[in-house]
Amino acid sequence: GQQVMQIPQYQHVQEGEDFTTYCNSSTTLSNIQWYKQRPGGHPVFLIQLVKSGEVKKQKRLTFQFGEAKKNSSLHITATQTTDVGTYFCAVRDNYGQNFVFGPGTRLSVLP
Amino acid sequence: DGGITQSPKYLFRKEGQNVTLSCEQNLNHDAMYWYRQDPGQGLRLIYYSQIVNDFQKGDIAEGYSVSREKKESFPLTVTSAQKNPTAFYLCASSFGQGARQPQHFGDGTRLSIL
Repeated sequence: GQQVMQIPQYQHVQEGEDFTTYCNSSTTLSNIQWYKQRPGGHPVFLIQLVKSGEVKKQKRLTFQFGEAKKNSSLHITATQTTDVGTYFCAVRDNYGQNFVFGPGTRLSVLP
Repeated sequence: DGGITQSPKYLFRKEGQNVTLSCEQNLNHDAMYWYRQDPGQGLRLIYYSQIVNDFQKGDIAEGYSVSREKKESFPLTVTSAQKNPTAFYLCASSFGQGARQPQHFGDGTRLSIL
């Protein structure tokens, strides 16, 4: 079935440093979603990307969909302690009915 | 306030016992999902339902059962056949079908074996 990889698995940064996580698929994606899960919490939807090469920004977060629609990235500028959590990408499965979640990237921010 | 309510927050299961996790939503969403999350892992799909009175198995349905008698409700039963039930269970819903809409998640239920 559909699989997505995320790198890195873990990332520790000093507060104020930038952070990037990548989501990669072996097949072309119709869309991709990003979620954030705080420690002990539930995933919260951040954004959806649909178009090839699309770039969307939310304050310090920049999301990009690759030109070939096989990968995506989430970049955080000047991390803050509130950015701590696990970031998941989610894509449609091969039948187009459900979501397949990546394994996530866990971000730690040291004050 | 619209949202998804999961209960209980914590649940303990004895050997050989079936337990049911509740999930209710008042978002008027058509699709509902159950996921299992193990420590430090991603989300794995157990069951999903796109419409009332219909549901489909996900990737790890063995040892679980569901029902969708009402649009608002999608309870999950963890049966005694599920030998390793300890996990964090998340219910989600989305508007429409086909994995094109954002999913909204409940606060989850943490299930442990006694």
